[in-house]
Amino acid sequence: EVQLVESGGGLVQPGGSLRLSCVVSGFTFTNHWMHWVRQVPGKGLVWVSRIKSDGSAPAYADSVKGRFTISRDNAKNTLYLQMNSLRAEDTAVYYCIRDKGSSWYYDAFDIWGQGTMVTVSS
Amino acid sequence: DIQMTQSPSTLSASVGDGVTITCRASQSVNDWLAWYRQRPGKAPELLIYKASSLESGVPSRFSGSGSETEFTLTITSLQPGDFATYHCQQYNSYPYTFGQGTKLEVK
Repeated sequence: EVQLVESGGGLVQPGGSLRLSCVVSGFTFTNHWMHWVRQVPGKGLVWVSRIKSDGSAPAYADSVKGRFTISRDNAKNTLYLQMNSLRAEDTAVYYCIRDKGSSWYYDAFDIWGQGTMVTVSS
Repeated sequence: DIQMTQSPSTLSASVGDGVTITCRASQSVNDWLAWYRQRPGKAPELLIYKASSLESGVPSRFSGSGSETEFTLTITSLQPGDFATYHCQQYNSYPYTFGQGTKLEVK
């Protein structure tokens, strides 16, 4: 069974840091680009970041550029999102997502994790 | 950034009905357009990719059409589990962007 399991969310004060992890199973991790998307409960979806299958060419939304870092450990089948200088507006559910494409092309988002809640508040 | 606008924002229908949701892009996204269904409290699920390709395992009641800037998602013979929120997404260029969502409610 294909699975993405996120962890690492929680309550953090403004200016603080969190690292989200996403452990994948049931497919060849190295064949897929991966993404993070966030959603304020009751609101729309916002793309946050992407990383290619070999860990190269990270891309970020302007709202998180310079504060968030996406990475992956292909030996551990794990995707990460390091979030620094957190703000109240970063409060959301964060989803780890598999790109449907392969290692050399992109496509839509076919597998989503269950999401992990990040709350930034004093 | 490419703006994605869905209409309507809310749609009321009954089990067995057919419905259509529209998604418009502020500039051409070619056919790099996906549709997702999100049930309450759950993660989104991919329904349609590349504007009109049905994702594996998704019932044929769902269909997508369109290109460039205007796209539609059509659902025939609504089932109870279809009452959810639907999102369109362009993945033609970064940052990828989503529509605001269309909530399909029971009439």
